[in-house]
Amino acid sequence: AQSVTQLGSHVSVSEGALVLLRCNYSSSVPPYLFWYVQYPNQGLQLLLKYTSAATLVKGINGFEAEFKKSETSFHLTKPSAHMSDAAEYFCAVSDDPGAQKLVFGQGTRLTINP
Amino acid sequence: DAGVTQSPTHLIKTRGQHVTLRCSPISGHKSVSWYQQVLGQGPQFIFQYYEKEERGRGNFPDRFSARQFPNYSSELNVNALLLGDSALYLCASRVFGANVLTFGAGSRLTVL
Repeated sequence: AQSVTQLGSHVSVSEGALVLLRCNYSSSVPPYLFWYVQYPNQGLQLLLKYTSAATLVKGINGFEAEFKKSETSFHLTKPSAHMSDAAEYFCAVSDDPGAQKLVFGQGTRLTINP
Repeated sequence: DAGVTQSPTHLIKTRGQHVTLRCSPISGHKSVSWYQQVLGQGPQFIFQYYEKEERGRGNFPDRFSARQFPNYSSELNVNALLLGDSALYLCASRVFGANVLTFGAGSRLTVL
């Protein structure tokens, strides 16, 4: 069975600082990996996805993530945090190319301090 | 283009009642999935429908059911509501051949 572990339910950084949100996955087959963001009272918006092409994936809003098979990790980073990045972030894994059934982590709430 | 639309956005029910949630996918998307997001947790997969047929089901009791209509819209039904069914219910659609889900804003259900 697949699973996702997001280390840190709450991360707080200063505006302009590096953002690092950690995600480790478990999958018996080559995984498809995703990061979604959820703003208050809204649905999920796709930030980026890994689908077995380049291991370094660039997404929207300056975010990127690196797939490391040896570490079973897919950490999300952004060089310089902006106040608008404050939201809940979810890492998800799927074992099928259609990625219709996603297994999500518990989420990490990102707070940006002025 | 309109995104995935869900209705109602908020609703309150009492234990034992029944609820129907509705979802309209993005035009051209024939696949619809439903997820339940309990407060403080990540979404959990409930159902997937493609071309009006159930293609996947998560670990939810039989009180949960869904269907997809000829226009690809979908309904999620929950019978005999429990307090634990209080959650944000998210609908997502996907165009055939793509590997990305587009989510709606959700229907927030409160069971009292």
